[in-house]
Amino acid sequence: AQSVTQLDSHVSVSEGTPVLLRCNYSSSYSPSLFWYVQHPNKGLQLLLKYTSAATLVKGINGFEAEFKKSETSFHLTKPSAHMSDAAEYFCVVSDPNTGNQFYFGTGTSLTVIP
Amino acid sequence: GAGVSQSPRYKVAKRGQDVALRCDPISGHVSLFWYQQALGQGPEFLTYFQNEAQLDKSGLPSDRFFAERPEGSVSTLKIQRTQQEDSAVYLCASSLHNRADTQYFGPGTRLTVL
Repeated sequence: AQSVTQLDSHVSVSEGTPVLLRCNYSSSYSPSLFWYVQHPNKGLQLLLKYTSAATLVKGINGFEAEFKKSETSFHLTKPSAHMSDAAEYFCVVSDPNTGNQFYFGTGTSLTVIP
Repeated sequence: GAGVSQSPRYKVAKRGQDVALRCDPISGHVSLFWYQQALGQGPEFLTYFQNEAQLDKSGLPSDRFFAERPEGSVSTLKIQRTQQEDSAVYLCASSLHNRADTQYFGPGTRLTVL
């Protein structure tokens, strides 16, 4: 069965400091993994995706994530937080064995302190 | 180009009323998805269309929920005899080809059942 665990429901960082949002997944096959961001009253926006190419994936707005199969992790990072990064972040797993249905984590709310 | 649009953005219904939520996918996108997002949770899959064919409706919570996409473009999610537990944000997404592709999300419809 597929599942996604976002280890922190809330993360708070100071502006200009690094961001780490943690995601662990379970999948019986080689999954596709995604990070989406949701700003208030806006739709989910794709940050980046992993589909079995390079394990270090670079996304928009300076975000990147590293696929670590041995740790079943896909943590999202950014070297320096900006105020505009404050939002809800969702990790998503998609597995061919289940018809590529998207399974979302419960989300991590990122607060950026000025 | 235009993204996924949804209407209405907000809907208040009295318990027992029927509601219809509309989704306009990105032009040319073959696949369309509906999700339900409860407060403080990640989106959960409801149903999936490829063109006008509903290929997966395994996520629909009850037979009060019905979705259609008669011409392979606009889709409508209908909820009959609404109940308080139906209160949620309903998200629509589309992808260019199939379920394995990146999904692009609309802003959602927030349904409140009183």
